[in-house]
Amino acid sequence: EIVLTQSPGSLSLSPGERATLSCWASQSLSRSYLAWYQQKPGQAPRLLIYAASTRATGVPDRFSGSGSGTGFTLTISRLEPEDFAVYYCQHYGMSPLFGPGTKVDIK
Amino acid sequence: EMQLVQSGAGVKKPGESLRISCKGSGYRFTDYWIAWVRQMPGKGLEWMGLIDPDDSDSRYSPSFQGQVTFSVDKSINTAYLQWSNLKASDTAIYYCARPQFNSGWSNALDIWGQGTMVTVSS
Repeated sequence: EIVLTQSPGSLSLSPGERATLSCWASQSLSRSYLAWYQQKPGQAPRLLIYAASTRATGVPDRFSGSGSGTGFTLTISRLEPEDFAVYYCQHYGMSPLFGPGTKVDIK
Repeated sequence: EMQLVQSGAGVKKPGESLRISCKGSGYRFTDYWIAWVRQMPGKGLEWMGLIDPDDSDSRYSPSFQGQVTFSVDKSINTAYLQWSNLKASDTAIYYCARPQFNSGWSNALDIWGQGTMVTVSS
């Protein structure tokens, strides 16, 4: 059974700063079936990245994903006010699951 | 516009039954699986499973197997999530979501319903 962990659990940053979020899998993920979602309070999650590094339609290029195997990263190059939210990674292979999330809040 | 619209919030007592719905529009409903995701108050996202609207083939997360039932009425483009014996611990927001591609269920979820809040309280 694959387990996903995310670090840090929370991150306090200022607008304009760079955010680096990590997602670790207990086993190597086949075909990089790894996605990242953003969720704001009171809203449904929004797909940002799939296949570890491909931006979903309409996602600004300040969001980028990287990694393979067991370690993945979501980078927000310059935080905009609307980027403060909770971010979840997800493995969507044979046994899909979500990571516990990283909250990015305003410093 | 492709979208999923879910039924409204529900308040039930422990032991009661409930069925919530998720109606798809703007795409061929039977071409894409429908996933269900739970979010308990103040907590993260949990994968419950999915159903193929074309033939009702269902895959349940082990944590939810036997606790809920997925169903679909493809004549009205609607998927359902059902409980027969609600518990207080079922209190949560439930989202339906559609995989990004119609190549099976191992895909990221790119269209989400607005969520249905289910409250179970005596």
